[in-house]
Amino acid sequence: KAGVTQTPRYLIKTRGQQVTLSCSPISGHRSVSWYQQTPGQGLQFLFEYFSETQRNKGNFPGRFSGRQFSNSRSEMNVSTLELGDSALYLCASRSGTDNEQFFGPGTRLTVL
Amino acid sequence: AQTVTQSQPEMSVQEAETVTLSCTYDTSESDYYLFWYKQPPSRQMILVIRQEAYKQQNATENRFSVNFQKAAKSFSLKISDSQLGDAAMYFCAYRRRFNAGGTSYGKLTFGQGTILTVHP
Repeated sequence: KAGVTQTPRYLIKTRGQQVTLSCSPISGHRSVSWYQQTPGQGLQFLFEYFSETQRNKGNFPGRFSGRQFSNSRSEMNVSTLELGDSALYLCASRSGTDNEQFFGPGTRLTVL
Repeated sequence: AQTVTQSQPEMSVQEAETVTLSCTYDTSESDYYLFWYKQPPSRQMILVIRQEAYKQQNATENRFSVNFQKAAKSFSLKISDSQLGDAAMYFCAYRRRFNAGGTSYGKLTFGQGTILTVHP
């Protein structure tokens, strides 16, 4: 089985722009979670989607949004980028039952 | 809110020796999971070991084992016969088992991480 894939792997944007990141889960997995990793704040949960519905949400401003499609692929959008949004964004998928999450390689976002 | 604390920002070990990484957590839940993840320089998060809170027996995976003390809310990772490939950042993580509505819960709460260096 192919693992979790994330595109693009690297992104450079400027302040004020918006960005969309994509995550394709492992085949058969219905849950996708997103995390932000920064040196200062560590790993923080953004949100989880299960069968196209947002199931949980972390403590991030409304500029961060996401969605999930019927094929379980998920996108995360950040509008009006700020310098502090520079981070590694990780997504993880699981089958939706009592199983562990498998992480993708991440998207490294740099905001200039 | 649940919190996870790793009090050792950095640890080092000689190849073939044993090292223990510490983790404490705080929760009011009784049904949850605990994990150790490894993140090498490639940044790929890899699950090392998992412990279900309802199981009293400590989990083991080859050279990796945990010491789970539920009452003390402590969850340490022991790496035996350390190898150069074990060098990485290690994260302790917590996940409650169910949402308030009874559905499976996906949010992981991570500690700040411990950088492990392995000396040849």
